[in-house]
Amino acid sequence: DAGVTQSPTHLIKTRGQQVTLRCSPISGHKSVSWYQQVLGQGPQFIFQYYEKEERGRGNFPDRFSARQFPNYSSELNVNALLLGDSALYLCASNSGQSGNQPQHFGDGTRLSIL
Amino acid sequence: GQNIDQPTEMTATEGAIVQINCTYQTSGFNGLFWYQQHAGEAPTFLSYNVLDGLEEKGRFSSFLSRSKGYSYLLLKELQMKDSASYLCAVRDRGYGQNFVFGPGTRLSVLP
Repeated sequence: DAGVTQSPTHLIKTRGQQVTLRCSPISGHKSVSWYQQVLGQGPQFIFQYYEKEERGRGNFPDRFSARQFPNYSSELNVNALLLGDSALYLCASNSGQSGNQPQHFGDGTRLSIL
Repeated sequence: GQNIDQPTEMTATEGAIVQINCTYQTSGFNGLFWYQQHAGEAPTFLSYNVLDGLEEKGRFSSFLSRSKGYSYLLLKELQMKDSASYLCAVRDRGYGQNFVFGPGTRLSVLP
């Protein structure tokens, strides 16, 4: 079975531009979460979606938005990019909201802002 | 607030045992997870604790004390491939059941 897949793998943008990152969860998983990981630090929570509804939002500005589609895939959008947005963006999925279910991570999208 | 602390770096010798500590202060608690992350790769799940005590999975064990807000990951018979970052994460009881990650501990295993 395929794991969590993310695209693109790498992306280079300039300040002020907009970017869309994509994620397909493990088949059967209805919950998708997005994280930002700056080099040398742990992942920071951005959003969680479950059954197409936003269920959690981290401490990120409104320039960050996301959505989940009927097939449970998800997109993360970032507008007006800043140099500080350079990071690894991780998508994770699990099957639901309760229980001892860990999150399964994709390989991430490495975003570089010039 | 949410705060998770881990040592930044640790070094150990191949074949030895190492313990990586994690202390947490979170608004809620619905389980503590340990992940391994090799450089440039995604985090992979190692272990889960929700009740106090020790959970063992092969060479890896994880311990939890909820009253102390404390956990540790124990790695036995260290191998070179165990060189990685180890992330402690708490699942809170918020509406979104969010995961709060610590900064990670970079473990270097030396021959």
